[in-house]
Amino acid sequence: NAGVTQTPKFQVLKTGQSMTLQCAQDMNHEYMSWYRQDPGMGLRLIHYSVGAGITDQGEVPNGYNVSRSTTEDFPLRLLSAAPSQTSVYFCASSPGLLGEQYFGPGTRLTVT
Amino acid sequence: GQQVMQIPQYQHVQEGEDFTTYCNSSTTLSNIQWYKQRPGGHPVFLIQLVKSGEVKKQKRLTFQFGEAKKNSSLHITATQTTDVGTYFCAGLNNNAGNMLTFGGGTRLMVKP
Repeated sequence: NAGVTQTPKFQVLKTGQSMTLQCAQDMNHEYMSWYRQDPGMGLRLIHYSVGAGITDQGEVPNGYNVSRSTTEDFPLRLLSAAPSQTSVYFCASSPGLLGEQYFGPGTRLTVT
Repeated sequence: GQQVMQIPQYQHVQEGEDFTTYCNSSTTLSNIQWYKQRPGGHPVFLIQLVKSGEVKKQKRLTFQFGEAKKNSSLHITATQTTDVGTYFCAGLNNNAGNMLTFGGGTRLMVKP
């Protein structure tokens, strides 16, 4: 099992550009989520999904879109990148709300 | 909304000294999870506590969940250089949506 994979590992965007961060898991987990990590701020939840076709907003959803068409994939879309979105993004999956979360290796995004 | 606070933010210890990080929630939690993140890495699950007053041990690590299920602690006995990293608590409040809220983390540095 590859676990949770994320691509790309690094990305530099200019303000106003759009892009999609990819996340995939091969553990057949129902619950997937996206977090951003900023220095001294811990992990903040952006969006999450409790199953294919179901998504919901987390703590900091503005500027991001998600979809969950399959159990395996949960892409995060930045609509119009802003410097405030410079961060490290982690995708995570778990078998359920009360389950251990498995994190991907992260994507380091810089917006100039 | 639900807030989870962690103290201290940073801790420097001499190898062999003990270390404790504390986690406090503004609301009653259904469960609490602890994660460790090594520098440059991704969070890795350590343990989950569910019951009021629960205590769990993993070798030199002791985890506690408060009687009111609003606070938790992680204690490391006789720290080693391999304990270096940031320790996060994360709490779930079923009455506040299906979101796991992370504390800001405690960064542990160990001097050999």
